[in-house]
Amino acid sequence: QVQLQESGPGLVKPSGTLSLICTVSGGSISTYYWSWIRQPPGKGLEWIGHIYYSGTSRYNPSLESRVTISIDTSKNQFSLKLSSVTAADTAVYYCARVQMATIFMDVWGEGTTVTVSS
Amino acid sequence: QSALTQPASVSGSPGQSITISCTGTSSDVGGYDYVSWYQHHPGKAPKLMIYDVSNRPSGVSDRFSGSKSGNTASLTISGLQAEDEAEYYCGSYTGGSTLFVFGTGTKVTAL
Repeated sequence: QVQLQESGPGLVKPSGTLSLICTVSGGSISTYYWSWIRQPPGKGLEWIGHIYYSGTSRYNPSLESRVTISIDTSKNQFSLKLSSVTAADTAVYYCARVQMATIFMDVWGEGTTVTVSS
Repeated sequence: QSALTQPASVSGSPGQSITISCTGTSSDVGGYDYVSWYQHHPGKAPKLMIYDVSNRPSGVSDRFSGSKSGNTASLTISGLQAEDEAEYYCGSYTGGSTLFVFGTGTKVTAL
């Protein structure tokens, strides 16, 4: 059974870069799409973007200028970088596997909390 | 792309049926049969409950069912149980630059 685990710093300074890794276990990262999703405190879920194992990616236009999602198939990992962060980027960040044929997320990580503060 | 609209909370007695609505536009919910529903218990990984409007993944109870009419999708929980208490989110493919949009979330309470 495929499992996902997010990892990375829980605290990032304003104007810095948020960096997270999602490790995929129990299955191959190849042939699937993979996504990052976040949930700010007291708010709903927001799709950040996704990447295909080939490296093709797509981002939420509201974050596109600051987001990079990359993939390392040799490590069965994909990652998120979000630059120029502010307090508004404080959230629980989830990684998920995407079934792209009809766009839904069928496997999720438990999430990791990232706080932007000096 | 705005979030899909869900009621903030829905409650029911154990054993009753409840329905959660998810309202979008013709550019998302109404335009495609690509609506999914997720159950989220605090501190845990969200769980896919319904995909493609009305399909249940293997292992999801048949007490959960989905439907759609026009720009509004619905999730019905039959025979409400205490374990069903959670936040529920709908989601939909959009035809625009924002590929996917979630709903605002609904807290379900078993009274």
